[in-house]
Formats: sequence, C-alpha cells, structure tokens
Amino acid sequence: KQEVTQIPAALSVPEGENLVLNCSFTDSAIYNLQWFRQDPGKGLTSLLLIQSSQREQTSGRLNASLDKSSGRSTLYIAASQPGDSATYLCAVRPRGSNYKLTFGKGTLLTVNP
Amino acid sequence: GAGVSQSPSNKVTEKGKDVELRCDPISGHTALYWYRQRLGQGLEFLIYFQGNSAPDKSGLPSDRFSAERTGESVSTLTIQRTQQEDSAVYLCASSPWGSGGTDTQYFGPGTRLTVL
Repeated sequence: KQEVTQIPAALSVPEGENLVLNCSFTDSAIYNLQWFRQDPGKGLTSLLLIQSSQREQTSGRLNASLDKSSGRSTLYIAASQPGDSATYLCAVRPRGSNYKLTFGKGTLLTVNP
Repeated sequence: GAGVSQSPSNKVTEKGKDVELRCDPISGHTALYWYRQRLGQGLEFLIYFQGNSAPDKSGLPSDRFSAERTGESVSTLTIQRTQQEDSAVYLCASSPWGSGGTDTQYFGPGTRLTVL
C-alpha cells in the first residue's frame, strides 16, 4: 500500500528565506507526483506536477524535484513571502490507478513578515 | 470559466441525521472525484465518476455513504445516519478526462461537516 509522508509537519520562517519541504513515498511505481497548496476555505490549488520520467519542474519561485528510485520529492521555495503561508500537500498517482491520488498529511508553512 | 463549486460551505448536523453535499464540476470535465479530509489527516479518496462508466466506490468508508452523478454534471454525496467520526472537510475535484496519468485535478473549496 502506497504511503506518503511529509516532513516537517509545520515550519515557520522569516520573510525572504529560502526553504525546502520534503515528501517521501513508499512505492516507486507512480505515474506522477503533484504538489498542492491548500488555503483555509479555498480548497487545493495545484502548484507543480512532475511526471515519473521527469526530474524536476519549475514555476516562478517554486522548484519541485523527483527522485523516483529513492521515493523522494522536494519542493523548494525561493525568497519566501508572507503570501506563501499555507499548507503544502504532496500527492502521488500510483501506477495501476489512472486517477486515484495518495496524499501526504501536508506541511503547514508560516512565513513571518 | 468558473471553477469547481461546492455547497454548502459549512454544515453542522446532529448525530443520526442525513446530510447531502453538492459539487458542481468545471463545465466539460468528464471526471469527478470526492475526497475526505479529517483533522490532521491527508485526503482520503472516496469515489470517482468518469462519464457514463460505473463509478469506483472503493473508497467509501461504509454503506452509509453514497454518491450520485447525472451524466457529466452535478454530483451529490449523501451521508446517512451521520456519526461524529464523519466530521471532516469533504472535497470535490474534477478533471478533463481522469486517465493517462497526465491530467490535473481541480479542487473545489470543500464542505466542512461537523456532526454534534
């Protein structure tokens, strides 16, 4: 059974700092890995999706990497801003399941001005 | 166009009552998903609809839970005889086709259900 773990559970940083969020998964047989942002009352927003054949994806100040063989992904946020404060969720789509996502519990990020 | 919408945004009910949650997917999206997020837990897959195919109900936690979708439109998730452990945020998502491993799921804001 695929399990997704996110570390740390919570992180508080001062504005401007670069930071890394970690995600690990137990079964490397995946189609893709996705990072979401969850704001209270606003559901989830997809940030980056990395296909199993890819090593990384970048969008603005965000960079996500994928090491499928070791079952790890990182989300790098450069020059953090208070508006980045949210819960960040990692999810994998296991092979053999065209649509089901397995989620981690998330990392609650607080960026202090 | 509009994103995925859900109603109500909040629902407080008494133990034993039935509740109905609604999801309006993005127009044209054939795939629709329901998830549950309990406090401090990751999202749990509940049910998946794809077009007119039989839904995948494998994630429904008990027979008190059921969901319907007519064609490629609105879906309702019904919980009968609610229990306190049903308290959670129920999230709906839709995607253009729901297969192939490449599509992104677009999530609604969720319905926060509290069972007293």
